[in-house]
Amino acid sequence: QKEVEQNSGPLSVPEGAIASLNCTYSDRVSQSFFWYRQYSGKSPELIMSIYSNGDKEDGRFTAQLNKASQYVSLLIRDSQPSDSATYLCAVGDTGRRALTFGSGTRLQVQP
Amino acid sequence: DVKVTQSSRYLVKRTGEKVFLECVQDMDHENMFWYRQDPGLGLRLIYFSYDVKMKEKGDIPEGYSVSREKKERFSLILESASTNQTSMYLCASSPVRGSKKQFFGPGTRLTVL
Repeated sequence: QKEVEQNSGPLSVPEGAIASLNCTYSDRVSQSFFWYRQYSGKSPELIMSIYSNGDKEDGRFTAQLNKASQYVSLLIRDSQPSDSATYLCAVGDTGRRALTFGSGTRLQVQP
Repeated sequence: DVKVTQSSRYLVKRTGEKVFLECVQDMDHENMFWYRQDPGLGLRLIYFSYDVKMKEKGDIPEGYSVSREKKERFSLILESASTNQTSMYLCASSPVRGSKKQFFGPGTRLTVL
């Protein structure tokens, strides 16, 4: 069974620091990778997508993909208390219409 | 912006009742999905649909059925609700071509008493 693994946390960082969230996946043919942010009681919101090896930056967020090592990470620079949420990693491949989600990492940014 | 709406934010039902959860998307997406989310278990796929009247079982279809009579609408049906179906239910949609990005509705918190 295809798996997406994340450390459940909580990951606690001080305000202004860099938060680093990691995700590993088991299926080598995975081709698309997504990070969702989910506030407590709310639904997941797509914040980043990445499809090729390397880094992709969008504002304070950077997604990093290493297909050889089968991991994808999300860096949040200048972390703010409003970044406190659960971050879900999701992986897609050509053989399955649905994404496979990790169980999420809870991030706490301390003021 | 993609908009996915769900018929209720909160729902309370009794054991044995038939429950309908509805989802509507306005971006002409072919794919629609139903998930449930429980603490410690993450998002689990119940059913998805890739076209009108077409459906496929996800990872946990037992106790559920679905209906897709129109492209924009995807319904989840609990034929006889049980207490272990108390959960957050999330609907999502995505286009069939290009990225597999999924966009989620606000969710329905279902409690079965």
